[in-house]
Amino acid sequence: EAEVAQSPRYKITEKSQAVAFWCDPISGHATLYWYRQILGQGPELLVQFQDESVVDDSQLPKDRFSAERLKGVDSTLKIQPAELGDSAMYLCASSLEPGRTEAFFGQGTRLTVV
Amino acid sequence: DAKTTQPTSMDCAEGRAANLPCNHSTISGNEYVYWYRQIHSQGPQYIIHGLKNNETNEMASLIITEDRKSSTLILPHATLRDTAVYYCIVRVREYGNKLVFGAGTILRVKS
Repeated sequence: EAEVAQSPRYKITEKSQAVAFWCDPISGHATLYWYRQILGQGPELLVQFQDESVVDDSQLPKDRFSAERLKGVDSTLKIQPAELGDSAMYLCASSLEPGRTEAFFGQGTRLTVV
Repeated sequence: DAKTTQPTSMDCAEGRAANLPCNHSTISGNEYVYWYRQIHSQGPQYIIHGLKNNETNEMASLIITEDRKSSTLILPHATLRDTAVYYCIVRVREYGNKLVFGAGTILRVKS
């Protein structure tokens, strides 16, 4: 069964350091999402791609977060510099079409900033 | 998209049916009801969705009231592996629409 792949699974980084997460969506899925989930809360959408273009990044803290999907396949989410409040689970999801088909999620990357 | 209200938590005995309610009194005619679940330390998993008719698949059944203001997700024979957070989401099924999660219901299946 096709899956959304994410790496690393866990990451510990020091405050003010840079950190990056990688996501490989299900083959053929044009839409890719990055979500952040703080412990005890539901996932919050950070950025949505359609192919290589960003279609929604309204909740992305652009002063420190960046996301790219250069060839419209895999994607990288970066935080620089990391802050203590960035400790969370970062989830990647993909779907065939945004809004009209179901989203499939990866296992996530658990980030701890110390 | 319409707001949803779910209980914070529920318990269910293993082997019994788990009935998870969701209120969506402001739902509009073109909004679907979706259910996802999230097992501890994993990403959310799609379960089922429906518009106005009841729906069933290999995982669960979705019962939507005639006025569409509430719905119930039914897991017919709950197992310990069904312990998870269950999210009820109401959204328009149109190009570009976002998937927005609330706090969900923590379902604990007990032996």
